[in-house]
Amino acid sequence: GAVVSQHPSRVICKSGTSVKIECRSLDFQATTMFWYRQFPKQSLMLMATSNEGSKATYEQGVEKDKFLINHASLTLSTLTVTSAHPEDSSFYICSAGKGDTDTQYFGPGTRLTVL
Amino acid sequence: GQQLNQSPQSMFIQEGEDVSMNCTSSSIFNTWLWYKQDPGEGPVLLIALYKAGELTSNGRLTAQFGITRKDSFLNISASIPSDVGIYFCAGQLYSSGDKLTFGTGTRLAVRP
Repeated sequence: GAVVSQHPSRVICKSGTSVKIECRSLDFQATTMFWYRQFPKQSLMLMATSNEGSKATYEQGVEKDKFLINHASLTLSTLTVTSAHPEDSSFYICSAGKGDTDTQYFGPGTRLTVL
Repeated sequence: GQQLNQSPQSMFIQEGEDVSMNCTSSSIFNTWLWYKQDPGEGPVLLIALYKAGELTSNGRLTAQFGITRKDSFLNISASIPSDVGIYFCAGQLYSSGDKLTFGTGTRLAVRP
């Protein structure tokens, strides 16, 4: 199997606070994890690529100081939305690659609502 | 960021009908993938295509990797109510570190 989990599944926070989202590969080691953002009725947009033990690579237009990514182990990557604002409200989805193939396995997503 | 153009944008069909959707790009990809996303969930991989011209089936689903490597289509035969959801194509380029570029999505509704 190739199961990816995310925690929390949904979070509501006040503007100005920071929120941490975890992405775990449960039954495999993920050398690379990807973070996506999806606004309502839109497609998934890649935010950053996270490699274990090294700095994340951010897509153009994504603020690395606002969206902190830590890939501390081969089974865990975290995304911290710092000083969240209402416009950061979105569905955040991670995916993980096994490394032996190019297939990515997606997590169930985290719904972030910033009040 | 770049997005792939998917059509149609939405479809409302009768149960039992066949469905066809496609995806086009201005640039080539090494791999084409088709995903289904249910509301409030992450995408689930349906079919992966690795070679230009490849035609692959998964149950009632059939997908093809275009000869030009710039397009792909997905067919669903004999649709059932649980086919409802949003279907996304995605292209992958080895030189870009296996990053996925997603299509704009096709929203499918099935009338019983």
